[in-house]
Amino acid sequence: DVKVTQSSRYLVKRTGEKVFLECVQDMDHENMFWYRQDPGLGLRLIYFSYDVKMKEKGDIPEGYSVSREKKERFSLILESASTNQTSMYLCASSPSMGLKLYNEQFFGPGTRLTVL
Amino acid sequence: DQQVKQNSPSLSVQEGRISILNCDYTNSMFDYFLWYKKYPAEGPTFLISISSIKDKNEDGRFTVFLNKSAKHLSLHIVPSQPGDSAVYFCAARDSSNTGKLIFGQGTTLQVKP
Repeated sequence: DVKVTQSSRYLVKRTGEKVFLECVQDMDHENMFWYRQDPGLGLRLIYFSYDVKMKEKGDIPEGYSVSREKKERFSLILESASTNQTSMYLCASSPSMGLKLYNEQFFGPGTRLTVL
Repeated sequence: DQQVKQNSPSLSVQEGRISILNCDYTNSMFDYFLWYKKYPAEGPTFLISISSIKDKNEDGRFTVFLNKSAKHLSLHIVPSQPGDSAVYFCAARDSSNTGKLIFGQGTTLQVKP
């Protein structure tokens, strides 16, 4: 079974703090993703990575950065947290396309971040 | 600009009846479509998928239909069960090789006993 774990289920931070959200997957997947989920907006892609030390901006990268130093770990960083970054953050991983017809994404349980 | 849209935020169905969840998309380059199910306080889990070369895929109580000319897909759940109550997201993959998915806004399904 694929397992994607996230470092915290709930997090409360103050405006201006630097916040680290950690994600680890145990299936040797090449691709990793960070989303945020907000009511009425669905899942929006923040950043993704298709290899170690590689990163690509998603649809809403502003105010975020990422780090992927090891294949199994993908970190999301809020350099200076703001109240509009209060959200549910979801990490996902997937294998590379290779010869596969599709590459399903496997999600972690999410981190509910509140910025006061 | 929302490329994948789920226009119904919520749906309520009686147990045993059919649930139909709809999804529209705008980009004809999407080549694969997936449905995910999400319970509160959990991450989304994969439910069923369909390639753009097919028009139907069935897995037990779940069937996904794809109408490419209308850029529309739907998820049918028959019969609906109370345990199906969850948020359902449709997602589309573009034809690039990055594995990126674009998600709709989600539809909350409530199945009443």
